[in-house]
Amino acid sequence: EPEVTQTPSHQVTQMGQEVILRCVPISNHLYFYWYRQILGQKVEFLVSFYNNEISEKSEIFDDQFSVERPDGSNFTLKIRSTKLEDSAMYFCASSTPSDRTNTGELFFGEGSRLTVL
Amino acid sequence: GENVEQHPSTLSVQEGDSAVIKCTYSDSASNYFPWYKQELGKRPQLIIDIRSNVGEKKDQRIAVTLNKTAKHFSLHITETQPEDSAVYFCAAMETSYDKVIFGPGTSLSVIP
Repeated sequence: EPEVTQTPSHQVTQMGQEVILRCVPISNHLYFYWYRQILGQKVEFLVSFYNNEISEKSEIFDDQFSVERPDGSNFTLKIRSTKLEDSAMYFCASSTPSDRTNTGELFFGEGSRLTVL
Repeated sequence: GENVEQHPSTLSVQEGDSAVIKCTYSDSASNYFPWYKQELGKRPQLIIDIRSNVGEKKDQRIAVTLNKTAKHFSLHITETQPEDSAVYFCAAMETSYDKVIFGPGTSLSVIP
């Protein structure tokens, strides 16, 4: 069964450094997402991406964050200058196959744990 | 934007009893309501979902009900087992598929 894959599984970085988290969504999905989960808390929406552009973003997704789909398969989240409070699990997800059956179901990757020191 | 509330935040039941988790949402345009189970250190996994054209859906021991007028939906787990212990998140999604907004989660403990 196709899966969303994410790398790295864990990254430790110093405050102020740039971080890039990578995701390979399911190949025939149309919508891509990044979510964040601070330890023990809720799953928070960051950004959605459709048709090669951002379609929605939350208040958390400020100018320090950016997303890209540099080629036909990868979907990346960049944090330009990390802060301590960026420490969290970042989940990539994709949804909605190109035939638009079963719309909306999110398929999550295993997550990338970011630790900012 | 959409806001999803969820109650209770923690729930402890004896094995074999039922568990009920309730959620409310704010945006009447939302039309898809999934439930996710998250075990410790793992990704959220879809366990059941319901769309706004139905009022109830059942899958073995799990059922979900939806009341669109009142903007609330509930998860029912019958004959609970220790492996049902996890955090459960309800969520709501608008028609546009742009985003799924999660509730704050319910930590369910099933005591053997």
